[in-house]
Amino acid sequence: EVQLVESGGGLVQPGGSLRLSCVGYGFSISDFWMHWVRQSPGKGPVWVSRIKSDGTITSIADSVKGRFTISRDNAKNTLFLQMNGLRVEDTAVYYCAREVRYDSRNYYGGAAAYWGQGTLVTVSS
Amino acid sequence: EIVLTQSPATLSLSPGDRATLSCRASQSVNTYLAWYQQKPGQAPRLLFYDASNRASDIPARFSGSGSGTDFTLTISGLEPEDFAFYYCQQRSNWPLTFGGGTRVEIK
Repeated sequence: EVQLVESGGGLVQPGGSLRLSCVGYGFSISDFWMHWVRQSPGKGPVWVSRIKSDGTITSIADSVKGRFTISRDNAKNTLFLQMNGLRVEDTAVYYCAREVRYDSRNYYGGAAAYWGQGTLVTVSS
Repeated sequence: EIVLTQSPATLSLSPGDRATLSCRASQSVNTYLAWYQQKPGQAPRLLFYDASNRASDIPARFSGSGSGTDFTLTISGLEPEDFAFYYCQQRSNWPLTFGGGTRVEIK
């Protein structure tokens, strides 16, 4: 059974840092694009970042560019999101997600079939 | 950035009714459009990807169609568990974007 388990969320002051982790179970993340999507209370989801199966291609939303970095350790079946310079507006539930299909040449991922339970990040003084 | 506009914002229907949800893109996304269902306190659940490819374990009463700028999600006979929020999302261009959502509520 495919499962994604996030950790690393919590309460942080503005300007602080957090590192989110997401461990995959029941599959090898090295075969898939992986994603981070966030959702603020009462709002729709927002795609934050994605990374190709081998880590060679990443995309990051303008709202977090220069502050957030996506990475992966395929040997540990783990996805990361390093978040620096956190702002109040970054407060959200952060979900990691797995692409719907196996990666292949010339494929750009962007359909998330499996999601973690989410980890809450609260930025407040 | 590609803007996705979903209509209606709210759909008030009864169990057994047919639901038709619309998603319009500000420019062509080819068929690179997905639909998700979300219930309170849960992560989104993929229903369709690339417009009409049904995701795993999605019942046949759900169908997705469209291409270019106009897309439709149809639920042929609403079950009690189908009352939820529905979002469309494009993967044609970065940033990947979601529509504003349609709430399907019990009438």
